Amino acid sequence: GQQVMQIPQYQHVQEGEDFTTYCNSSTTLSNIQWYKQRPGGHPVFLIQLVKSGEVKKQKRLTFQFGEAKKNSSLHITATQTTDVGTYFCAGRETSYDKVIFGPGTSLSVIP
Amino acid sequence: DAGVTQSPTHLIKTRGQQVTLRCSPKSGHDTVSWYQQALGQGPQFIFQYYEEEERQRGNFPDRFSGHQFPNYSSELNVNALLLGDSALYLCASSQRDGYGYTFGSGTRLTVV
Repeated sequence: GQQVMQIPQYQHVQEGEDFTTYCNSSTTLSNIQWYKQRPGGHPVFLIQLVKSGEVKKQKRLTFQFGEAKKNSSLHITATQTTDVGTYFCAGRETSYDKVIFGPGTSLSVIP
Repeated sequence: DAGVTQSPTHLIKTRGQQVTLRCSPKSGHDTVSWYQQALGQGPQFIFQYYEEEERQRGNFPDRFSGHQFPNYSSELNVNALLLGDSALYLCASSQRDGYGYTFGSGTRLTVV
């Protein structure tokens, strides 16, 4: 079945440093979503990417969908303590398919 | 605009018991998905309901069942609880095409 993997599992950065997490799917995806979960909280939707090679930006966050629609990345520029949390990618094979989450990358930011 | 509401927030049950968790979706959403999230792991898909029918199911045993009501709210039932069922159970609502799930705060289930 469909599997979604993420690396790294954990990342500790100094405040102001950049951060990147990578997501890979075992199958071609119709779209990919990214979520953020703060410690003790629930996942919060950040963005959805649909097109091959698509790049979207939200302030300091840059999201990219691979050309083959099997991988994606999230890059945060100049991290802040408010960026702390676990970032999940989640993919679906068709528009109405179940959304499968990756294991997440836990980001710690050292002030 | 109310988001997704889940109840109860916390629950402690004994092995072998049965539990029912409830979810009210965000206004305007007609699809409800349930996820199980163990500590330190990503949410695992249990099943999805649309038009009062189970549309998709993950790799969970038949002990996990659900229901969706005409007002789109949903229940998750787990029978014969095991210690390994202890987890955060998340309800996510969306419109049918699923552009971005809205998650509830979850129900923390502890099985002792």
